[in-house]
Amino acid sequence: DAGVTQSPTHLIKTRGQHVTLRCSPISGHKSVSWYQQVLGQGPQFIFQYYEKEERGRGNFPDRFSARQFPNYSSELNVNALLLGDSALYLCASSKTGGLWGYTFGSGTRLTVV
Amino acid sequence: QKEVEQNSGPLSVPEGAIASLNCTYSDRGSQSFFWYRQYSGKSPELIMFIYSNGDKEDGRFTAQLNKASQYVSLLIRDSQPSDSATYLCAAETSGSRLTFGEGTQLTVNP
Repeated sequence: DAGVTQSPTHLIKTRGQHVTLRCSPISGHKSVSWYQQVLGQGPQFIFQYYEKEERGRGNFPDRFSARQFPNYSSELNVNALLLGDSALYLCASSKTGGLWGYTFGSGTRLTVV
Repeated sequence: QKEVEQNSGPLSVPEGAIASLNCTYSDRGSQSFFWYRQYSGKSPELIMFIYSNGDKEDGRFTAQLNKASQYVSLLIRDSQPSDSATYLCAAETSGSRLTFGEGTQLTVNP
């Protein structure tokens, strides 16, 4: 079975630009979460979607948005990029919303210059 | 106070020794706790989860949970150089989100 797949793997953007990151969960998993991991820190929660509905939002500005599609894949959008948005963006999927843990994808490394 | 705090590293142990990683959490509503291993440049990999007080063993790994003390730990027995990584403790908080500690870097020396 394929794991959680994320695309692209690496991305370089200029300040002020917009970026879209994509995630496909493990087959059968209905919950997708997004995390931001800055170098040297633990991942920070951004969003959780379950059955296509937003179930949680972390302490991130409105420049960050996300959605989940009928096939349970998800997109994370970030507008007006700042240098501080440079990080590893992780997508995690779970069957039921996290009781048995989340499986992370390999991540998208975003660099804002 | 951080929601999840891990013992500051880095931690260095010789091959074959027991590595002990500790974590405390502040939200008494947290029910499930997770240990992830993250190799440099890679994404976190789930090692174990625990939600009942006591010990849970899986091979060389033992997770311990004490809800009264709000304390979670991970023991790695017979540590191997391949165990060298950053270990992340996470608590499942409101909305099924994971709140992570900053991680403890473990080095196992041959």
